Amino acid sequence: AQSVTQLDSQVPVFEEAPVELRCNYSSSVSVYLFWYVQYPNQGLQLLLKYLSGSTLVKGINGFEAEFNKSQTSFHLRKPSVHISDTAEYFCAVSFTGGFKTIFGAGTRLFVKA
Amino acid sequence: NAGVMQNPRHLVRRRGQEARLRCSPMKGHSHVYWYRQLPEEGLKFMVYLQKENIIDESGMPKERFSAEFPKEGPSILRIQQVVRGDSAAYFCASSHDVDRVGTEAFFGQGTRLTVV
Repeated sequence: AQSVTQLDSQVPVFEEAPVELRCNYSSSVSVYLFWYVQYPNQGLQLLLKYLSGSTLVKGINGFEAEFNKSQTSFHLRKPSVHISDTAEYFCAVSFTGGFKTIFGAGTRLFVKA
Repeated sequence: NAGVMQNPRHLVRRRGQEARLRCSPMKGHSHVYWYRQLPEEGLKFMVYLQKENIIDESGMPKERFSAEFPKEGPSILRIQQVVRGDSAAYFCASSHDVDRVGTEAFFGQGTRLTVV
């Protein structure tokens, strides 16, 4: 069975500092991996996705993630965060693109001035 | 091109009443998914529908919950005889073609249901 674990429920960080949000998954078959962002009172917006090919994936708003098959991880990183990055971030896994995507519990990123 | 539209954004129901949540997918999308987000938790898959068909409802509670996606009109998630535990944010997503690799699901802003 597939599952997604986000290791940190909350991550406080100062503005302009780097950040890494951790995500591990378990699956016996090949997966597609996603990171979504949810701003307060909004729906989810896709940040980036890994389907195949290069293990380093670049997304919107300066975020990137690296797929590590041996460690079954897909950690999200940004070298310098802004106040506006304060949001909840969800890691997700799916066999196909959009059907029955399984989400992690989310990580709340709180950027402080 | 309007995104996924959900209404109402906020819904308050008394215990025992019915809640009807609507979702209009993006133009050209024929696949709709419903997810529930309980407080402090991630999104849980509920049901996947195509026009006039329920494809997978493995995440739906066995009682009181139902979903439909008619040929015309929005998809409806119906919760009968609501209880306090139904209070949550309900998100709808739609996609164009689920069989294509990398198909992205686009999410609505959600309906926040509060049962009092």
